[in-house]
Amino acid sequence: ETGVTQTPRHLVMGMTNKKSLKCEQHLGHNAMYWYKQSAKKPLELMFVYSLEERVENNSVPSRFSPECPNSSHLFLHLHTLQPEDSALYLCASSLRWGTAGYTFGSGTRLTVV
Amino acid sequence: TQLLEQSPQFLSIQEGENLTVYCNSSSVFSSLQWYRQEPGEGPVLLVTVVTGGEVKKLKRLTFQFGDARKDSSLHITAAQTGDTGLYLCAGFTGGGNKLTFGTGTQLKVEL
Repeated sequence: ETGVTQTPRHLVMGMTNKKSLKCEQHLGHNAMYWYKQSAKKPLELMFVYSLEERVENNSVPSRFSPECPNSSHLFLHLHTLQPEDSALYLCASSLRWGTAGYTFGSGTRLTVV
Repeated sequence: TQLLEQSPQFLSIQEGENLTVYCNSSSVFSSLQWYRQEPGEGPVLLVTVVTGGEVKKLKRLTFQFGDARKDSSLHITAAQTGDTGLYLCAGFTGGGNKLTFGTGTQLKVEL
């Protein structure tokens, strides 16, 4: 596998469900990111992990909970979401935090019903 | 919050036409990147520019970083249907680690 792989590609969940998004990279990158992409809005940075430590939490509600068990894997745990959380969630990685050239996954299209 | 404004927001042209997309900010960026995103996929990096006034070419695409490093442009010559997509600029402000994305330009190239 090359690049950044995200699963699942599509997810429909109820507001009381708990689900997790998974991201995996084997590029040797030390920084991983979660972004939210909504219609008509710029990409919003949610979380940054550098060397497996969370270095940025961009005022994201606690119903989103990230986890980085190792440098190759990143999760986003979802709980009690709202319909307005429906969006494309993108994972990205880069060699180091703050370096140019992000590699993005294909994203998870999340619909909250 | 730094803001990167892209214009136009939408662009629909015929194959073979030329076009220019702009990315503007009031902030100075240490580097600026352009990405293209196709439907159902994540953004893909096209180029990174770091020096004021820098011009980079990628086949029919020409990227320019403004002299003051506050703006950038992307020019496409003889557009093809394969150029269709969302074009995003993104930049690091001086000394910062946070990559800020622009508002995007949705390009549609038709036969």
